[in-house]
Amino acid sequence: EVQLVQSGGGLVQPGGSLKLSCAASGFTFSGSTIHWVRQASGKGLEWVGRIRSKANNYATAYAASVEGRFTISRDDSINTAYLQMNSLKTDDTAVYYCIRDSSWLMFFDYWGQGTLVTVSS
Amino acid sequence: DVVMTQSPLSLPVTLGQPASISCRSSQSLVHSDGNTYLNWFQQRPGQSPRRLIYTVSNRDSGVPDRFSGSGSGTAFTLKISRVEAEDVGVYYCLQHTHWPPTFGQGTKVEIK
Repeated sequence: EVQLVQSGGGLVQPGGSLKLSCAASGFTFSGSTIHWVRQASGKGLEWVGRIRSKANNYATAYAASVEGRFTISRDDSINTAYLQMNSLKTDDTAVYYCIRDSSWLMFFDYWGQGTLVTVSS
Repeated sequence: DVVMTQSPLSLPVTLGQPASISCRSSQSLVHSDGNTYLNWFQQRPGQSPRRLIYTVSNRDSGVPDRFSGSGSGTAFTLKISRVEAEDVGVYYCLQHTHWPPTFGQGTKVEIK
């Protein structure tokens, strides 16, 4: 069974940092791309960024709204992806989801349970 | 970026009646490989989104056959043949033909 289990959310002050984790099981994690998407309360879904596999040089890409502040990484030895968030703003308050992308057809077919990040003083 | 526009944004439906959601893209979603990468997702209250449909019209495993997707080019539709109480939630279209992937604004389906 494919699972993505997230952890690491919480309350942080503006300008602070937080690191989210996404632990995968049930599929070949090392060969998959992992995306992060966020959703502010009562709002729609916003793509945040992605990290590709080792075969694709662990290439990362980010939305303009987080470029230079957020960093996505992965540790294939423990099947876990990370979202490091720095210089956080109140607008970053949202539920963050990690999502599997294993091929053009298996794009966004499995989602983590989501983790809430609240940026507030 | 490709802009995805859904309508309506709110859809009150009577149980047992059909429902239809439109999704239009600002440019054609036909990929150079011939496929059209348009997906539909359901987000029930308090849950993560769940993929229902991929490449316009293919249902994911476990998705009831009352859900169907259709369309081509820039115009797509998600139909529910007979709405059930468990279908309440927000529905999103997503394109990943063009980079970056982009979502529609969401359509909230509720029971009248």
